[in-house]
Amino acid sequence: GEQVEQLPSSLIVQEGASVLINCSYTDSASVYFPWYKQEPGKRLQFIIDIRSNMERKQTQRLTLLFDKKTKHLSLHITATQPGDSAIYFCSARSSGSWQLIFGSGTQLTVMP
Amino acid sequence: EAAVTQSPRSKVAVTGGKVTLSCHQTNNHDYMYWYRQDTGHGLRLIHYSYVADSTEKGDIPDGYKASRPSQENFSLILELASLSQTAVYFCASSEGVDTQYFGPGTRLLVL
Repeated sequence: GEQVEQLPSSLIVQEGASVLINCSYTDSASVYFPWYKQEPGKRLQFIIDIRSNMERKQTQRLTLLFDKKTKHLSLHITATQPGDSAIYFCSARSSGSWQLIFGSGTQLTVMP
Repeated sequence: EAAVTQSPRSKVAVTGGKVTLSCHQTNNHDYMYWYRQDTGHGLRLIHYSYVADSTEKGDIPDGYKASRPSQENFSLILELASLSQTAVYFCASSEGVDTQYFGPGTRLLVL
């Protein structure tokens, strides 16, 4: 079945820096890729998504890049703030499936 | 954003006891899901449902049952709780098969 891998597992940056979170998946039939943010002790919050017929999507300080050929996604966060500190999860859904498969998450810490 | 609530928010249970986790959503979503999250891992799907009175098995259903008595409510039942079921449990709902909205989680400790 589908497997989703995220790297790195953790990141520590200074406020204002940009970060890149990488995600790879194995099922070539995957068509939808939502990302979630989980602040400490809080629920997962949807932040951005992309479909397999797109290459790039941007919202505010988030840019999501998708490479269907290499089965790879990258989430770029610019001008980071302490409030961006959270675990970021990549997930994938295959065509014809209801199920989201989640990566193990990337712990981002933004130091003031 | 969908309103998904869970109860209880935390629970301590004894090994072999019965545990029921409840989830309620107020946005008329057809799809509901139960996940567990273990420290250092992503979420794994236990059960899901796409219509009232029907549930489906996810990736790790062993030791868990689910119940969907209405569109709004989805319960996860541990008939015989075990130490290995200590985790944080999240409920989620979605209108279609894409964006899922999550509840606040239930922290379960089995002793």
